[in-house]
Amino acid sequence: SQTIHQWPATLVQPVGSPLSLECTVEGTSNPNLYWYRQAAGRGLQLLFYSVGIGQISSEVPQNLSASRPQDRQFILSSKKLLLSDSGFYLCAWSQAGRNQPQHFGDGTRLSIL
Amino acid sequence: AQSVAQPEDQVNVAEGNPLTVKCTYSVSGNPYLFWYVQYPNRGLQFLLKYITGDNLVKGSYGFEAEFNKSQTSFHLKKPSALVSDSALYFCAVRDGSNFGNEKLTFGTGTRLTIIP
Repeated sequence: SQTIHQWPATLVQPVGSPLSLECTVEGTSNPNLYWYRQAAGRGLQLLFYSVGIGQISSEVPQNLSASRPQDRQFILSSKKLLLSDSGFYLCAWSQAGRNQPQHFGDGTRLSIL
Repeated sequence: AQSVAQPEDQVNVAEGNPLTVKCTYSVSGNPYLFWYVQYPNRGLQFLLKYITGDNLVKGSYGFEAEFNKSQTSFHLKKPSALVSDSALYFCAVRDGSNFGNEKLTFGTGTRLTIIP
């Protein structure tokens, strides 16, 4: 069966520091991968998605970036964090195909001080 | 374009009563519809989907959803609510006629509270 791992679960960072959040998927190949941010336990904002290695689509201009160095690895990064980057970050994967659901990791709660 | 609306931020239901969480959608082509549940400090869990076929879709944990094309709705239902059903519920839509569209659009969520 397929599993998705996100780490760390919780992170506290000072303003201006760098960020690296990692997500890996097991048990499938060539998945679509997604990064979302959820503010205040409500709606999800799609940040990036990827349909293959090195293929990244950005949905919202901001100081975050994403990379997919391996088929089942998706990384969210920042060079300098802002206070507004605080939130709950969720990684998700799906099989390719418009009728496929997305499956989510347990998220990283990021607090910027 | 694709969008989804969840008109109720909060729904309270007594344990044992039937529950409904509402969702309406808008797409240019064929709607592919999904329901998810989120427990505190966890990711979203997939409950069920409608792609085509029978308008009543059954999913996990006894939940079902009814697709209504004329009302552009996809309401989530359960005949008898449990306290453990208390969570945040999200409806999502994808335009199935848009080839290469790999993105879901999520609603803002409905917080369901089951009262013992």
